[in-house]
Amino acid sequence: EPEVTQTPSHQVTQMGQEVILRCVPISNHLYFYWYRQILGQKVEFLVSFYNNEISEKSEIFDDQFSVERPDGSNFTLKIRSTKLEDSAMYFCASGTSGRAGRTDTQYFGPGTRLTVL
Amino acid sequence: TQLLEQSPQFLSIQEGENLTVYCNSSSVFSSLQWYRQEPGEGPVLLVTVVTGGEVKKLKRLTFQFGDARKDSSLHITAAQPGDTGLYLCAGVMASGTYKYIFGTGTRLKVLA
Repeated sequence: EPEVTQTPSHQVTQMGQEVILRCVPISNHLYFYWYRQILGQKVEFLVSFYNNEISEKSEIFDDQFSVERPDGSNFTLKIRSTKLEDSAMYFCASGTSGRAGRTDTQYFGPGTRLTVL
Repeated sequence: TQLLEQSPQFLSIQEGENLTVYCNSSSVFSSLQWYRQEPGEGPVLLVTVVTGGEVKKLKRLTFQFGDARKDSSLHITAAQPGDTGLYLCAGVMASGTYKYIFGTGTRLKVLA
């Protein structure tokens, strides 16, 4: 069964450093998402991406964050200058539909645990 | 505030008991999903419901979407220790947004 994959599984970085989290969505999916989950808290939406552009972003997704689909398979999240509070699990998700009123199922990857020291 | 409240937050029951988890909001959702999440892993999809009043069954799990599409429930019959985990509801609001709003989660522990 196709699945979303993410690398690395765990990333440790120093505060102020740049990190890139990588995701390979399910191959026939067109909509891509990043979410984060701070330890012990609920999953929070960061950004959605369709047709090579951001379709929606949350207030968490400030200028320090960017997303890119550099080729036909990868979807990346870059954090330019990490802060301690960026420590969290980051989940990539992909889906076939982003339109409200249709089946909007999203399939999640296993996550990347980011630790900022 | 876009909130999906789940109740109860924590539930510890004996093997063989039945339980129901609730997911409530004041907002209307175009679809609602239930996920199960293990520690250190991503949410794994259990079911999607899209029609008000819809009922779906997955073995011993029964999912219902409220008639007004503002709430949902997950009922587990004869719970087993393998059902232990964090259950999350997540919805797509019926306002054209594509993002998921996640519920606060219900942590279930089934004792043998």
